Amino acid sequence: DTAVSQTPKYLVTQMGNDKSIKCEQNLGHDTMYWYKQDSKKFLKIMFSYNNKELIINETVPNRFSPKSPDKAHLNLHINSLELGDSAVYFCASSRNQMISTQYFGPGTRLTVL
Amino acid sequence: DQQVKQNSPSLSVQEGRISILNCDYTNSMFDYFLWYKKYPAEGPTFLISISSIKDKNEDGRFTVFLNKSAKHLSLHIVPSQPGDSAVYFCAASEDTGNQFYFGTGTSLTVIP
Repeated sequence: DTAVSQTPKYLVTQMGNDKSIKCEQNLGHDTMYWYKQDSKKFLKIMFSYNNKELIINETVPNRFSPKSPDKAHLNLHINSLELGDSAVYFCASSRNQMISTQYFGPGTRLTVL
Repeated sequence: DQQVKQNSPSLSVQEGRISILNCDYTNSMFDYFLWYKKYPAEGPTFLISISSIKDKNEDGRFTVFLNKSAKHLSLHIVPSQPGDSAVYFCAASEDTGNQFYFGTGTSLTVIP
């Protein structure tokens, strides 16, 4: 059984488009995260939600908007895509915001043309 | 199914001693491995990497060892310092540009 799943795995789109990446966890965890991995493999946290509430919001353009319809899902919407948004985006979850063990999704490779 | 496993959720080590963090993987196609370090309320930061053509990579106090036949890698920190206290994630991919699979992390505490 997949613990943390992301769709799609690959996303190729034109500049200016709006796209979404979906994340679901079936672990019953309270906390979910979005990370961006840049070309140098640095993994930067973007957002964290605990029980559908935003708890971490790093300096991310407001073109990025996370949405958590329930605590098992944390979707990432990106408006007006730019070339610099090309990266791999990872979703992760943990039992709660105090527990350090995180389960990562496989990543979504976004390419903006 | 976890393709990358860190079976020790936590580890405590005395300052000045060696810390050894372990990581196992199941996919024999993995050939690129990373270690990340994460402090509370921060995102993971890249620490060190190794490709499958090598069995050791060293960067200062940090050394990563890769045993391909055992599908095992380990991160050695020597000497350990209190500032090394953090969660360490290992990750693997089939090539440098492909998707990464992460372990669940090991929380290291270095005791002064």
